Amino acid sequence: DAGVIQSPRHEVTEMGQEVTLRCKPISGHDYLFWYRQTMMRGLELLIYFNNNVPIDDSGMPEDRFSAKMPNASFSTLKIQPSEPRDSAVYFCASSLDPERPDTQYFGPGTRLTVL
Amino acid sequence: AQTVTQSQPEMSVQEAETVTLSCTYDTSESDYYLFWYKQPPSRQMILVIRQEAYKQQNATENRFSVNFQKAAKSFSLKISDSQLGDAAMYFCAYRSWAGNQFYFGTGTSLTVIP
Repeated sequence: DAGVIQSPRHEVTEMGQEVTLRCKPISGHDYLFWYRQTMMRGLELLIYFNNNVPIDDSGMPEDRFSAKMPNASFSTLKIQPSEPRDSAVYFCASSLDPERPDTQYFGPGTRLTVL
Repeated sequence: AQTVTQSQPEMSVQEAETVTLSCTYDTSESDYYLFWYKQPPSRQMILVIRQEAYKQQNATENRFSVNFQKAAKSFSLKISDSQLGDAAMYFCAYRSWAGNQFYFGTGTSLTVIP
């Protein structure tokens, strides 16, 4: 299995621009998670999906952030408009149904820099 | 919410020696999972080892082992025969038995000295 795939790996944009991050989970995994990692706040859960449905988006910082999962093999995290404080590494992770012992498998991350 | 504390922001170890990374957590649940993740400079999060709280036996994965003290809510990671490739940020994480959300510590940066 190729693991969780994220694109792009690096993104540099200017303040006010729209940014879209993409994620392909491991095939067969029912859960998908979006995390943000910064030096100041560590690793934060933004939102997670189960069977393509958003379950908990309480970690989404504000309305500028939105996430979608149109099908089982694809998810996006969008920031519009972007701000310098959004600069961080964004991770996508997937896992199987938690009724079975399981773990989260992380993608390589997208390093976002907003100038 | 559960909290996970890693009190050692940085640690160093001589190559081939043993090092122990500390982790404590706060929970009122009796069943849960604990994990150690490794994050090398590539930034990818890699699962190192996991422990089910109902198991008394400490998990072991090659050179990596844990010391799980449920009553003390402590979950330390021991790396034996440290190698240069072990240099990374290590995160301790908690997940409740029936829940989906992981709670991560702030990480420990491990340096391996040749």
